[in-house]
Amino acid sequence: QQPVQSPQAVILREGEDAVINCSSSKALYSVHWYRQKHGEAPVFLMILLKGGEQKGHDKISASFNEKKQQSSLYLTASQLSYSGTYFCGTGRQAGNMLTFGGGTRLMVKP
Amino acid sequence: DTGVSQNPRHKITKRGQNVTFRCDPISEHNRLYWYRQTLGQGPEFLTYFQNEAQLEKSRLLSDRFSAERPKGSFSTLEIQRTEQGDSAMYLCASSLWDRLHTEAFFGQGTRLTVV
Repeated sequence: QQPVQSPQAVILREGEDAVINCSSSKALYSVHWYRQKHGEAPVFLMILLKGGEQKGHDKISASFNEKKQQSSLYLTASQLSYSGTYFCGTGRQAGNMLTFGGGTRLMVKP
Repeated sequence: DTGVSQNPRHKITKRGQNVTFRCDPISEHNRLYWYRQTLGQGPEFLTYFQNEAQLEKSRLLSDRFSAERPKGSFSTLEIQRTEQGDSAMYLCASSLWDRLHTEAFFGQGTRLTVV
């Protein structure tokens, strides 16, 4: 069952902050965040592992609540380049396939 | 370029024809994944390999789909007797699985249009 992302879409002004949420009904090993621009491949942003390890982008932070199987991606001081669709992918075992949410469309305006 | 490479980038085919796509992963990556993405949706898992072994296939993958990774390097995905519903972006990703580093990197994808 795919994770649920919210909100589905958000519009920001440059410099504003945003939070994107990802919720799963299954026990998770990892949560992966990607950003995809129209017509391009998803670009890896962040991985959060059960047990607290994180790895990813310097200017983007995220959290993973293992008890609730929820993750949030925090975009601070947004830039125009942050525009795109953000997907969370959840993994139930290390290195296994990911199940992706439906995406959150983010538009940053000047 | 040391990223994941997919060919062709675009493919238009007539219904009923067979098509084959190729994916070259990042060279040291031992895991390779195939996903399908339709407009407005997230990527949907199809299958994945560790080296040359196919470890898992989605239940959504019909018998018309087959994937190989014969030497544990590049992979091919073949769709036989294509249908209009097969039109989608086919994405390949690779990762270095060593129990700690599991992030996957995607290629640019092959966009298939079945007419």
